[in-house]
Amino acid sequence: DGGITQSPKYLFRKEGQNVTLSCEQNLNHDAMYWYRQDPGQGLRLIYYSQIVNDFQKGDIAEGYSVSREKKESFPLTVTSAQKNPTAFYLCASSPRTGPLSNQPQHFGDGTRLSIL
Amino acid sequence: QKEVEQDPGPLSVPEGAIVSLNCTYSNSAFQYFMWYRQYSRKGPELLMYTYSSGNKEDGRFTAQVDKSSKYISLFIRDSQPSDSATYLCARIVGNQFYFGTGTSLTVIP
Repeated sequence: DGGITQSPKYLFRKEGQNVTLSCEQNLNHDAMYWYRQDPGQGLRLIYYSQIVNDFQKGDIAEGYSVSREKKESFPLTVTSAQKNPTAFYLCASSPRTGPLSNQPQHFGDGTRLSIL
Repeated sequence: QKEVEQDPGPLSVPEGAIVSLNCTYSNSAFQYFMWYRQYSRKGPELLMYTYSSGNKEDGRFTAQVDKSSKYISLFIRDSQPSDSATYLCARIVGNQFYFGTGTSLTVIP
């Protein structure tokens, strides 16, 4: 079945450590996104990518980094500069981008990151 | 200014009730609307996707868009305990996505 796979499901970070969250999609979608979800705050956009080897900052990019070396993959690194990383992280993808991009996003099942 | 406003609830109803979930939005640009359902510890799942004003029906779910009032609604008929989840409304304007904060629904057997 086509879909978005996020791993791991649960992740723990020590102080000063960088951690990387994996996101893989087999939907052949062009655009991929990373969101952070905190209770009562809804989804906040961290980074998005419309094409391989290109990505843009979202609303809360500080302390995070991404890469898009393959169409299928969009890993997110939570760096030690992110002082409050405990949250539920969601990866999403959508088929097209640009002015005719009115296609809904599809989501993975998330990674829950906690501080040790 | 939030692009989509949604009452967080929580909302609790008895099994079999009709549920009404609502969102308001802030401008009238060319846009599409969506409803997602999110179970605890899972990612949001697309339920409904619509552009035009009026109703779109899919089984027990009906999405309604009222562009004159800038109001979008999701109705759930014959609600079931399995409908207990958080429901997020969303809109697409160009290639920008805007999500509501979600309404938590519990259907009591």
